[in-house]
Amino acid sequence: DGGITQSPKYLFRKEGQNVTLSCEQNLNHDAMYWYRQDPGQGLRLIYYSQIVNDFQKGDIAEGYSVSREKKESFPLTVTSAQKNPTAFYLCASRARTGFNQPQHFGDGTRLSIL
Amino acid sequence: DQQVKQNSPSLSVQEGRISILNCDYTNSMFDYFLWYKKYPAEGPTFLISISSIKDKNEDGRFTVFLNKSAKHLSLHIVPSQPGDSAVYFCAASANPGNQFYFGTGTSLTVIP
Repeated sequence: DGGITQSPKYLFRKEGQNVTLSCEQNLNHDAMYWYRQDPGQGLRLIYYSQIVNDFQKGDIAEGYSVSREKKESFPLTVTSAQKNPTAFYLCASRARTGFNQPQHFGDGTRLSIL
Repeated sequence: DQQVKQNSPSLSVQEGRISILNCDYTNSMFDYFLWYKKYPAEGPTFLISISSIKDKNEDGRFTVFLNKSAKHLSLHIVPSQPGDSAVYFCAASANPGNQFYFGTGTSLTVIP
């Protein structure tokens, strides 16, 4: 089955620690995205990548970092510099950019601070 | 600044009736619009989309209407079913851009 896998589903972090959220897709999609969702808010873009070894900041990139070493993988690191990391994180992919095609989402990772 | 707005946080509808979810946008460069459905603790699921060259797109019980002059789109669900109860997000992008802008969502409850 083709799809997007995010792991783990729930993640706990101590203050001052970095933590990495995994996102893998087997849809052969070129573009991948990371969003953050907070209660009562829409999805806000953290980072996106159109091709391997290339990525761009979204609206709320501060305190986050990403890498895109393989087409199918786009891990997100939440660093200790992120002041309010508790949120629901969603990864998405899209076949190609520049065309009218939807994004497809994983089931998310809920990050909580201990 | 929120470029895509859903002004109704919640909506309740009787089973079998029509559900109408609304979305407004401010950026006139947007030319591709989507609706997603989301259950708790899951990722959004793509529902239906429309490009700016159309004013209506239909897929089964779901129809999206686009009014470019008013910068408004709506999703009609007919007939509504209890399984439609979820949060619905609208989203927009400006091709050939890469960013999608999402509304804050409308929680739909279909009452049996």
